[in-house]
Amino acid sequence: AQSVTQLDSQVPVFEEAPVELRCNYSSSVSVYLFWYVQYPNQGLQLLLKYLSGSTLVKGINGFEAEFNKSQTSFHLRKPSVHISDTAEYFCAVSDPSGGSNYKLTFGKGTLLTVNP
Amino acid sequence: DGGITQSPKYLFRKEGQNVTLSCEQNLNHDAMYWYRQDPGQGLRLIYYSQIVNDFQKGDIAEGYSVSREKKESFPLTVTSAQKNPTAFYLCASSWQGGRMPNSPLHFGNGTRLTVT
Repeated sequence: AQSVTQLDSQVPVFEEAPVELRCNYSSSVSVYLFWYVQYPNQGLQLLLKYLSGSTLVKGINGFEAEFNKSQTSFHLRKPSVHISDTAEYFCAVSDPSGGSNYKLTFGKGTLLTVNP
Repeated sequence: DGGITQSPKYLFRKEGQNVTLSCEQNLNHDAMYWYRQDPGQGLRLIYYSQIVNDFQKGDIAEGYSVSREKKESFPLTVTSAQKNPTAFYLCASSWQGGRMPNSPLHFGNGTRLTVT
């Protein structure tokens, strides 16, 4: 079974600072990887996804993530954060060989707090 | 605009009562999902449906029931058998479910259920 570990439950940063939210997964097969963002009292929105090809993936709101197969990681980065980036971020993995059963496994989330 | 509507946003019930959470989508998506979110636990899959009149148990289906009589609707009933029903419930949809595992999920804004 696949699993996702988000190494930091909370990450506080100052506005305009860079940030990295870490995500590691465990799977013996090729995977698809996703980052979602959740603003307070809302549902989740897709930030970006890695399916294949270039290991550097660009998403919305200036975020990007790098897939590292040897380290089984998919860390999310932004060079300069804004107050409006304050939210909870979820890493998720799915198994493309899953056949008719859809299984998207989520990490436990990282709360990013951007301070002025 | 297309999207997913969950209602109500807040729901309060007494212990021992069944309660039904509504989820409607106008995205014409084939697959629909129910997740439960608890603080620090990430998202856990309760039930999912890839086609009308068919659904499968997720990781934590005990104490819950669903129906999928129409493509656009996937209501979730929290029964009195669910030991810890207080949580934030998220409904999601996607194209073709497991047959297209790279299809991102679209989420509603959730229903916060409190049982006392």
